[in-house]
Parts: sequence; C-alpha cells; structure tokens
Amino acid sequence: GAGVSQSPSNKVTEKGKDVELRCDPISGHTALYWYRQRLGQGLEFLIYFQGNSAPDKSGLPSDRFSAERTGESVSTLTIQRTQQEDSAVYLCASSLIAGVGETQYFGPGTRLLVL
Amino acid sequence: SQKIEQNSEALNIQEGKTATLTCNYTNYSPAYLQWYRQDPGRGPVFLLLIRENEKEKRKERLKVTFDTTLKQSLFHITASQPADSATYLCARSGDDKIIFGKGTRLHILP
Repeated sequence: GAGVSQSPSNKVTEKGKDVELRCDPISGHTALYWYRQRLGQGLEFLIYFQGNSAPDKSGLPSDRFSAERTGESVSTLTIQRTQQEDSAVYLCASSLIAGVGETQYFGPGTRLLVL
Repeated sequence: SQKIEQNSEALNIQEGKTATLTCNYTNYSPAYLQWYRQDPGRGPVFLLLIRENEKEKRKERLKVTFDTTLKQSLFHITASQPADSATYLCARSGDDKIIFGKGTRLHILP
C-alpha cells in the first residue's frame, strides 16, 4: 500500500512569508507526528496527533508554528513569518496508534529553505 | 532532562567486519528502544524494536542488545556491506512519544 507522502518535496521562500507543509499518512493510521531535522542534526519532535487532537504541542518552537489535522487523515504544518533558522527538513510520520511501542513510518520530508 | 545519546562521530568499518553502534540513555528507563536507518535525503526507516525485558533481538544480519543496568543499547551489523552505509538512529520510548538520538553515520569501506 501507499506510504506516508509529503508535499511539497522542496520549498524555497523569502523571510517573512508564510508556508504550509502537507502530510498524508498511511490510511488507517490514527497517530501522526511532525519532526524537524536541521542539517546534520537529529530529529526534533514538534507535535503529534491522535485522531484530530494534538495532546502534545510541547515541541513547537514558537507561536509562529501551528498544525492541524482533519478527518483523521491529512495534516498541515504552518509556519508564519518564516525566519532563516526555520530552514530544515520537516518530516512527518504516522503509526497505527500513538503508543510507545508503535513503529513510526516516515515520509520523505519537505526541505524548506528560507532566504 | 531525558536524554538519549549516540556517538556523533562517523564510524568507518571495513566490508565484511561487524559494525557496532552505541546508544546511551539517562534519567529515564524506557520500556522500548527502537533503531532506525536513514539514508541521505530520505526519512528514517524502522529496523528493530527491543523491549526492556529482552536482552537481545535479531533480524537477519542485525542484532540489538538492551542493557538496563548500563542504560545502553548496542546495534550490530554482521558481515557488513557497502550498502549498509547510512545514518542509524536510536529512539527510546518516553511517555506517549518517541525521543530520537542524533544518529551515528556509518561508512562501510569496500
């Protein structure tokens, strides 16, 4: 079956602009995660959804970052007034449920470059 | 804080030898540890999960150990091949989310 997909695959934007990143999880997966990975760094947890609810938003770096999920499916990560330090790969993952033993399946990521 | 640490330096191993990667955790006793592989420009791919009551888990040429006394997991690739070259991420369970280490880059030299 289809894996996790993300769009766009690459995004170049100017400082101060807003961007929207999209994630389509594996069908039937109720949990969805967003991570940020800066060049040469590990994965930085941003937010996760169980269904359409986000129990843990603790990883969002600032109030410029927000995310939503609808229909227990597609999720959108929005970054407002982008800054150069927002440049990174944004990875989405999904799992059957949100649980510590659940395997996460990752998408290919969106590479964001803020000029 | 609940940390998970991996050797940030790249590891170079001769083809055919066993590669061993280390993952250490502090201030927390995770119920699970997971290992993922990440190739350049791609998302991580799940490899193995080991539970706290398991000493060892194997999958083909891969072996993972979990030592709760040392607070450490070792990840072994036997009979290593150049295609095994990648970054390997250790992740530990934490409440309701997974915490990832920064990963260790492995180079298998032909």
